Amino acid sequence: NAGVTQTPKFQVLKTGQSMTLQCAQDMNHNSMYWYRQDPGMGLRLIYYSASEGTTDKGEVPNGYNVSRLNKREFSLRLESAAPSQTSVYFCASSSPSRQEQYFGPGTRLTVT
Amino acid sequence: QQPVQSPQAVILREGEDAVINCSSSKALYSVHWYRQKHGEAPVFLMILLKGGEQKGHEKISASFNEKKQQSSLYLTASQLSYSGTYFCGTEIRGNNRLAFGKGNQVVVIP
Repeated sequence: NAGVTQTPKFQVLKTGQSMTLQCAQDMNHNSMYWYRQDPGMGLRLIYYSASEGTTDKGEVPNGYNVSRLNKREFSLRLESAAPSQTSVYFCASSSPSRQEQYFGPGTRLTVT
Repeated sequence: QQPVQSPQAVILREGEDAVINCSSSKALYSVHWYRQKHGEAPVFLMILLKGGEQKGHEKISASFNEKKQQSSLYLTASQLSYSGTYFCGTEIRGNNRLAFGKGNQVVVIP
């Protein structure tokens, strides 16, 4: 069991470039989440997906789009990166029965 | 909606006890606690559901006072491995959508 995997681990973008962060889980979880973590700010929810085929905005969705490709995969897309999107991005998943969220190792993104 | 955690930072010697707190202005369905070590992902510690229950994880326990919308995490006989940042995540609607606080940084020194 790999748990939650994220790619890439590190990425540097120039302002205006686009990219997609990939996330996959092998725990058969229904719910998946994207968070961003900035120094001193804790974890802030960008988007979440309660089940395959559904997505919903979180606290800070502006500038991002998501796709729940299937039950395993949940991707986050930055269409036109901005320096304010420099952050560490975590993907997580959970099941209704166990409730705890399992986090991936994170993607450290720098936008110059 | 973001819960408030206090104190911001705690420094304690190995073997000492500490309490860190999480409070919300909204009625809560549950409170989650996670610990994050530097450069790593957050790791789940425990979840408390409304009803005032207490739970434990090793020598770390927590309580949830639903009347006050507060949760406290108790670090007993602290070990070096307890160092890290502790985050509480609060759930309002029972949909496992959490709002996280800014964290309590805990440093345990020998």
